[in-house]
Amino acid sequence: KAGVTQTPRYLIKTRGQQVTLSCSPISGHRSVSWYQQTPGQGLQFLFEYFSETQRNKGNFPGRFSGRQFSNSRSEMNVSTLELGDSALYLCASSSGTGGFYEQYFGPGTRLTVT
Amino acid sequence: GENVEQHPSTLSVQEGDSAVIKCTYSDSASNYFPWYKQELGKGPQLIIDIRSNVGEKKDQRIAVTLNKTAKHFSLHITETQPEDSAVYFCAASRGSNYQLIWGAGTKLIIKP
Repeated sequence: KAGVTQTPRYLIKTRGQQVTLSCSPISGHRSVSWYQQTPGQGLQFLFEYFSETQRNKGNFPGRFSGRQFSNSRSEMNVSTLELGDSALYLCASSSGTGGFYEQYFGPGTRLTVT
Repeated sequence: GENVEQHPSTLSVQEGDSAVIKCTYSDSASNYFPWYKQELGKGPQLIIDIRSNVGEKKDQRIAVTLNKTAKHFSLHITETQPEDSAVYFCAASRGSNYQLIWGAGTKLIIKP
């Protein structure tokens, strides 16, 4: 099986711009979760989508949004970028929703905001 | 809210020695405790997990122990090897429909 893929792998944006990141889950997986990883904060949960519905949401401002398509692919959008949004954004897919299911992570998208 | 504390943040051990990473959780309803390993340039990968009806689980050189009364669980790696160098994350969850709560991570360094 192909693993979780994320595009693009690297991105440089300017403060105030918006960005869209893409995640393709493992075939058959219906759940996609997004995380922000920074050196000092570890893994911060953004949101989880299951069958096109947002199931869980972390404590992030409304500038962070996401969606999931009928083929389970997911996108994450960040509007009005701030310098503090520079991070590695990881997506993970699983066969079910919630914390009981093994999460398969992609390699991440490294976002740099200047 | 729910919280998982992980210690130490960095652990350096001699190759061949054992390494222990500890996590404490706050939500007494948590019943699933996975450990993930993140190698440089990659996303985290599940290495072992334990459910609350079990006190210990082993898989070759790695083991996880759970103390529900004290609300803490630990990862034990024996006979450490260079490829064990990575960042390790613990997490806890109430189960389906509840997100994983993650620890801050431990950077494990194996000295040759």
